[in-house]
Amino acid sequence: DAGVIQSPRHEVTEMGQEVTLRCKPISGHNSLFWYRQTMMRGLELLIYFNNNVPIDDSGMPEDRFSAKMPNASFSTLKIQPSEPRDSAVYFCASSLDWGERKLFFGSGTQLSVL
Amino acid sequence: GDSVTQMEGPVTLSEEAFLTINCTYTATGYPSLFWYVQYPGEGLQLLLKATKADDKGSNKGFEATYRKETTSFHLEKGSVQVSDSAVYFCALSDQQEDDKIIFGKGTRLHILP
Repeated sequence: DAGVIQSPRHEVTEMGQEVTLRCKPISGHNSLFWYRQTMMRGLELLIYFNNNVPIDDSGMPEDRFSAKMPNASFSTLKIQPSEPRDSAVYFCASSLDWGERKLFFGSGTQLSVL
Repeated sequence: GDSVTQMEGPVTLSEEAFLTINCTYTATGYPSLFWYVQYPGEGLQLLLKATKADDKGSNKGFEATYRKETTSFHLEKGSVQVSDSAVYFCALSDQQEDDKIIFGKGTRLHILP
């Protein structure tokens, strides 16, 4: 298996633009997680899905952020409009099921909002 | 809420030195504990875990023992290599907090040849 695949690896955009980050989890994994990593705040859980259903989005910073999982093999995290303080590395991770605590992470998307 | 505190880095050691990275936690329930490692340019990967008190997790020469009495899960390795240079994250998962995995801020480790 190729592992968790995220795209793009790097994204540079201007303030106010819409940004869409993409994730393909490992085939057969039922849980998917979006994390944000910054120097100041470390690794923060934004939202997670189980069987394509959002379970907890309390970590989403504000309404500018939204996430979807239309099927078991694809998820998106969208920021609209983007702001400079959104600059971070965004990671997607998946696990076999909700009870499995072993997460497999993608390589992340480095987002820079100018 | 639950939290994880780990020693701030960076930690710089010479090859073959002994490594300890401290980690303590606070939890509402009885959590499972983990160490994840992040190599440059990659996502995190699970290094080892322990699910109950006095359990020792081990992998690739690294060890950590679940100490309930001191709420700690310190990471150790007897002889580090240059290839161990990475960022190490302590984490917990607590059923009382919906099993969400909560990570510490990470400790960057530099190993000098």
